[in-house]
Parts: sequence; C-alpha cells; structure tokens
Amino acid sequence: GAGVSQSPRYKVAKRGQDVALRCDPISGHVSLFWYQQALGQGPEFLTYFQNEAQLDKSGLPSDRFFAERPEGSVSTLKIQRTQQEDSAVYLCASSYPRTGGAVADTQYFGPGTRLTVL
Amino acid sequence: AQRVTQPEKLLSVFKGAPVELKCNYSYSGSPELFWYVQYSRQRLQLLLRHISRESIKGFTADLNKGETSFHLKKPFAQEEDSAMYYCASNTGNQFYFGTGTSLTVIP
Repeated sequence: GAGVSQSPRYKVAKRGQDVALRCDPISGHVSLFWYQQALGQGPEFLTYFQNEAQLDKSGLPSDRFFAERPEGSVSTLKIQRTQQEDSAVYLCASSYPRTGGAVADTQYFGPGTRLTVL
Repeated sequence: AQRVTQPEKLLSVFKGAPVELKCNYSYSGSPELFWYVQYSRQRLQLLLRHISRESIKGFTADLNKGETSFHLKKPFAQEEDSAMYYCASNTGNQFYFGTGTSLTVIP
C-alpha cells in the first residue's frame, strides 16, 4: 500500500515568508509525528498527534511553528516568518499503536520536505 | 532530558568483518530503544527495537542498562549494509534520535 507522503519535496522560501508543509500518513494510522532534521544531525522531535489531538508540542522551537491535523488524517506544519535557521529537512512519521494506544510503535517515515530559507 | 549519543559519525569496515555501532542513552527510567536505518536515496526505516529481541538482516542489539548502552552489532558486514544508522529512544510521547553513524562497508 501507499506509504507516508509529504509535499512539497523541496521548498525554497525567502526570509520572512510563511510556508506550509503537508503530510499524508498511512491510512488508519492514529499517531503522527513531525521531526526537524538539520544537516548532519539526527531527527529532532517537534510534535505528536493522536488522531486530531495534538498531545505534545514541546519540541516546536518557537511560536512561529504551528501544526494541525483537524480531521485526524492529513497534517500540516506551518512556519511563519521563516528564518535561515529554519532550513532543514522536515520529516513526518505515522504509526498505528498495537496495544492500548501505546506510542512506541513502529514509525513509518515520509521522504521529507527539504526547506531552504534564503 | 533524554539524550542519545552516537560517538562515531563515520565508520568503515571491510566486507566480512564484524561491525559494532555504538549508542549510549541517558535516562534514569526504562526507555524503549530502537535502531533506524536510512539507505542511500531511501527514507528512514525501523531496523530493530530492543523489546522485540530479534535479529534483522543479521543485526542484533542488546540493551545494557548498567552501561546505558544499546550497541548494534553484526558478525559479518555486507556491502549492502552501507547506510546511515540512527539510534533512538522513546519515553512518553517523544522520540530522541542520535546524530547518526554513517557505515561504509569496503568490498
């Protein structure tokens, strides 16, 4: 079946512009995660959704970052007034908890969106 | 806060040689530990998790709580093992990834 998809795959923005990054998780997956991966670094947790509820947003670096998943499927990560330090690959992952809503299940990653802020 | 440390950014071994990718975590509780792999031009994918105690593609990893380590091992490296490997830990809703180790298996 189809895996996690993300769009756009590449985004170039001028400093100060707003951007919106989309994630289509695997159908039926309850959990959805966003990560930021800077060059040469591992993925860093941004936020977590269970269905439409954003249960953890402690990793969002500033109030310029906002994520939503209004119908419990597609999610959008929005970055307002982009800065050069926002340049990174943004990864989305989804999972289907096997038992009792457990978070720590296999995460299936999308290909990522590479954001470059000039 | 949790932290996952992968001390080697680059690791090269010859085909057929044993390989060990190191991972240390800092957490006083009982996190779940994972190894993820990213092959060239492919997306990040789960390799194995400590709770399953399984061997995938010949790789194993043992959780050592005394040393807070979760090193990834394979007795005989293959060329197709060349990839980026990330160690990750989970507690609650958050996952913490290490900075990754790039493994090159020399033919």
